[in-house]
Amino acid sequence: DVKVTQSSRYLVKRTGEKVFLECVQDMDHENMFWYRQDPGLGLRLIYFSYDVKMKEKGDIPEGYSVSREKKERFSLILESASTNQTSMYLCASRTTKRSYNSPLHFGNGTRLTVT
Amino acid sequence: AQSVTQLGSHVSVSEGALVLLRCNYSSSVPPYLFWYVQYPNQGLQLLLKYTSAATLVKGINGFEAEFKKSETSFHLTKPSAHMSDAAEYFCAVILSSNTGKLIFGQGTTLQVKP
Repeated sequence: DVKVTQSSRYLVKRTGEKVFLECVQDMDHENMFWYRQDPGLGLRLIYFSYDVKMKEKGDIPEGYSVSREKKERFSLILESASTNQTSMYLCASRTTKRSYNSPLHFGNGTRLTVT
Repeated sequence: AQSVTQLGSHVSVSEGALVLLRCNYSSSVPPYLFWYVQYPNQGLQLLLKYTSAATLVKGINGFEAEFKKSETSFHLTKPSAHMSDAAEYFCAVILSSNTGKLIFGQGTTLQVKP
């Protein structure tokens, strides 16, 4: 079974701090994604990565950056955390060996609070 | 521009009643369509997906969805709701076969009353 692990379940940070959210998958998947989930807004794509060292902006990349130095790990970075980045962050991975319609496998999420 | 719209942020049904969760998409190319479910304090898991092989798609836990191109819809149904179906449901679409970027709807919370 695919496992997507997010390093923290809950995180509290102060405004202006640099924050790292880590995600690791164990199935050699090519694609990895970062979404944020807010009530009434569903999941919004922040960044995704086709493969190692390849990335593309999603719908709401402002205030975020990402790093994918190894295939299994995809990090989301908040350069200077702000209160409007308080949210649930979900990481997901997917194989594209057959096609893009293979399902995303999600981690359990990191609930980030910025005070 | 919104690519996928779920009508109704909250749906409430009685146990044993029909479940209908609505999803409409906007796409100029044949889309890939998905329904995901999120139980409390968990990540999302796949319920079913449309791959153009058949317009009526059967998923897990008795759910199914019908792709209607003329209505640009992919509504999720289940004949008889169970208490364990209470969760948040998300419709999602891949619009571009070049990038495979997956876009989610706003989500619908399903409440099942005893």
